Amino acid sequence: SQELEQSPQSLIVQEGKNLTINCTSSKTLYGLYWYKQKYGEGLIFLMMLQKGGEEKSHEKITAKLDEKKQQSSLHITASQPSHAGIYLCGADPTSGSARQLTFGSGTQLTVLP
Amino acid sequence: EAQVTQNPRYLITVTGKKLTVTCSQNMNHEYMSWYRQDPGLGLRQIYYSMNVEVTDKGDVPEGYKVSRKEKRNFPLILESPSPNQTSLYFCASSLRDRAIYEQYFGPGTRLTVT
Repeated sequence: SQELEQSPQSLIVQEGKNLTINCTSSKTLYGLYWYKQKYGEGLIFLMMLQKGGEEKSHEKITAKLDEKKQQSSLHITASQPSHAGIYLCGADPTSGSARQLTFGSGTQLTVLP
Repeated sequence: EAQVTQNPRYLITVTGKKLTVTCSQNMNHEYMSWYRQDPGLGLRQIYYSMNVEVTDKGDVPEGYKVSRKEKRNFPLILESPSPNQTSLYFCASSLRDRAIYEQYFGPGTRLTVT
């Protein structure tokens, strides 16, 4: 089965600093999805990456998928307290049928004001 | 307002006492799913449903049951809860299986089994 490793497990940064979260797969990713979760709440879909080398941005968050489609990174520029939460990467393990998603263990982000 | 609702939000129960967590969506979505979230293990899928009367096992289905008699509802049933089912549970829905990445998640149900 597809396994997703996220690093770091937790991250504490000062407001205004940049940060990167990584998601590595043991198999080729057919679709990689980034979600954000606030404590005790449901997940909010951020971005989806499907093509090798693809990069997408939304406000101050940029996600990239490497050419080999086995690693993705999520980069936050000039972090703010509103960025705090748990970030999860999810992957489609079944070569495009998208019937299930496997998730990483999450990265807990704390942004100090 | 488009949403996925779960009830209850918090539940403390004892081993062996049957319980049901309800999930309802008002978006006419075909696909619905249940996940559990545990520290260090991320989100793991329990069961999913492609449409009414169509359900299938996810990664961790043992100890759980589901039913999909109506399109909007997808209850999760624990016939005989055990302490290892203490977890945070999420229900999710999406328009169709090809749009799984755009799943709408409910607010979560925190279950404690003593």
